[in-house]
Amino acid sequence: EAGVAQSPRYKIIEKRQSVAFWCNPISGHATLYWYQQILGQGPKLLIQFQNNGVVDDSQLPKDRFSAERLKGVDSTLKIQPAKLEDSAVYLCASSWGGGLNTEAFFGQGTRLTVV
Amino acid sequence: ELKVEQNPLFLSMQEGKNYTIYCNYSTTSDRLYWYRQDPGKSLESLFVLLSNGAVKQEGRLMASLDTKARLSTLHITAAVHDLSATYFCAVIRGGQFYFGTGTSLTVIP
Repeated sequence: EAGVAQSPRYKIIEKRQSVAFWCNPISGHATLYWYQQILGQGPKLLIQFQNNGVVDDSQLPKDRFSAERLKGVDSTLKIQPAKLEDSAVYLCASSWGGGLNTEAFFGQGTRLTVV
Repeated sequence: ELKVEQNPLFLSMQEGKNYTIYCNYSTTSDRLYWYRQDPGKSLESLFVLLSNGAVKQEGRLMASLDTKARLSTLHITAAVHDLSATYFCAVIRGGQFYFGTGTSLTVIP
């Protein structure tokens, strides 16, 4: 079974530039998550999708971050314009979406450095 | 807001020794997870604990859950160098995962 795929693996941009990350979840997983992991901290949820609908985006800085999952499969996360404090690893995860044994599977992440 | 706290944040231990990592959470939760993260890598699922009193073991790691105390433990037995990593606990509530701060474990030969 293929895992969660993310690209790119690494990205370096200057502040005020824009950047986009892509995630392809495990086939059949209805729920998709984007997390931000700052160095030395645990992952923090940015947005959660159930199929192509947003379940929770309360911690997404909507003035600069946006995410979509148009067809309920893969997803993109965009930052525009980037700030220095956005430097982090952006993790995508997916799960079946419910039930007692819901488990999230994580991608390799995209390491973003804003200079 | 659901808070998840781990201690210690950093742990350096000698090979062959035993130690326990603690995970406290602030409100009721459906279930608790333990993940491992190697430097530069993603999170790897270790255990899913579904009910009060649940205990799971895999190799030198054993996880337990006390929902009444809102506490989970990850016990390391006879540590080996390969266990060096950062360990996260996470609780799920309303379909959303809340992660702890992580415990960075270094096993010294």
